[in-house]
Amino acid sequence: DVKVTQSSRYLVKRTGEKVFLECVQDMDHENMFWYRQDPGLGLRLIYFSYDVKMKEKGDIPEGYSVSREKKERFSLILESASTNQTSMYLCASSNPGPTGEQYFGPGTRLTVT
Amino acid sequence: RKEVEQDPGPFNVPEGATVAFNCTYSNSASQSFFWYRQDCRKEPKLLMSVYSSGNEDGRFTAQLNRASQYISLLIRDSKLSDSATYLCVVTVNSGYALNFGKGTSLLVTP
Repeated sequence: DVKVTQSSRYLVKRTGEKVFLECVQDMDHENMFWYRQDPGLGLRLIYFSYDVKMKEKGDIPEGYSVSREKKERFSLILESASTNQTSMYLCASSNPGPTGEQYFGPGTRLTVT
Repeated sequence: RKEVEQDPGPFNVPEGATVAFNCTYSNSASQSFFWYRQDCRKEPKLLMSVYSSGNEDGRFTAQLNRASQYISLLIRDSKLSDSATYLCVVTVNSGYALNFGKGTSLLVTP
């Protein structure tokens, strides 16, 4: 069974804090993704990575950065958290190619106060 | 214009009913098509891929019309456990990134 784990289910941070969200997958997938999901806006892609140390911007990269030092781990970084970054963050992984199913982690509900 | 559009619903149907969801996509270069299911407070999971020839998995049938850029999902004999949000998903280019619709909410009632 594919497993994608995220470091926290719930996180509360203050405005201006640096926030790290960690994601680990155990299926040797090459692609990894970070999304955020908000009511009425659906799932939006923040960043993705198709190889170690490689990253590509998604639809809404502003205010975020990512790091992929190892194949199994993909980190999302909020350099200076703001209240409009309060959201559900979902990590996913997949193998490359057009038929690659994406496997999602359970999500991190981040609240920035 | 949003790349993938779905009727948000909610669709409230009784058990045993047949329900159909529709989805349109704007990019004619789209290559692959999927339906994902997301239960309340859970992560999305692949329900089925969608092929031009149409495909069926038990009570679920998916259809693709490339000319009209339209995807559908039909659920027959609805069960209470089918209650969820159904996400229409499209890939373009190399298929690395998925474009998600906002989802259609289904509630099956006894």
